[in-house]
Amino acid sequence: DVKVTQSSRYLVKRTGEKVFLECVQDMDHENMFWYRQDPGLGLRLIYFSYDVKMKEKGDIPEGYSVSREKKERFSLILESASTNQTSMYLCASSFPGLGSYNEQFFGPGTRLTVL
Amino acid sequence: AQSVTQLGSHVSVSEGALVLLRCNYSSSVPPYLFWYVQYPNQGLQLLLKYTSAATLVKGINGFEAEFKKSETSFHLTKPSAHMSDAAEYFCAVSGPRATRNDKVIFGPGTSLSVIP
Repeated sequence: DVKVTQSSRYLVKRTGEKVFLECVQDMDHENMFWYRQDPGLGLRLIYFSYDVKMKEKGDIPEGYSVSREKKERFSLILESASTNQTSMYLCASSFPGLGSYNEQFFGPGTRLTVL
Repeated sequence: AQSVTQLGSHVSVSEGALVLLRCNYSSSVPPYLFWYVQYPNQGLQLLLKYTSAATLVKGINGFEAEFKKSETSFHLTKPSAHMSDAAEYFCAVSGPRATRNDKVIFGPGTSLSVIP
């Protein structure tokens, strides 16, 4: 079974802090994604990466950055956390190419509260 | 551009009743389609996927969905609701090439409540 793990299930930070959210997958997937999930808005893509050291902006990248130094690990960074970044953050991975159909595998999520 | 709409942000059914969650998509080419389920405080789990092999797709936990190209729909059904089906359900669409540039677009979600 594919396993995607996230470093924390719950996180509380203060405004202005630098926040790191870590995601690790164990199936050698090329693609990794960070989403945020808010009530009524569904999942919104923040950033994705299709290879080590490669990244592309999603729909809402402002206020976020990412790092992918190793294939299995994809980090989301909030340089200076703000209260409007309080949300559920979901990491996902997939492998491209025929036969994958872009099926994504999700981690359990990190619920971040910024005070 | 692809998009997904889900009619009804909240759906309530009685235990044992039919579950019907609606999904319509917009795509210029036949897409791949997915239904994901999210139980409270968990990540998303794949229920089923349409990959053009068959229009009626069976998934886990007794769910199925039918792809109707003429209606651009992919509605999710289950004949008899169980209390454990209470969750958030997301419909999603992806382009047919499954390349690195084919992102998955998620609908806003439908919260299903099951009444005893």
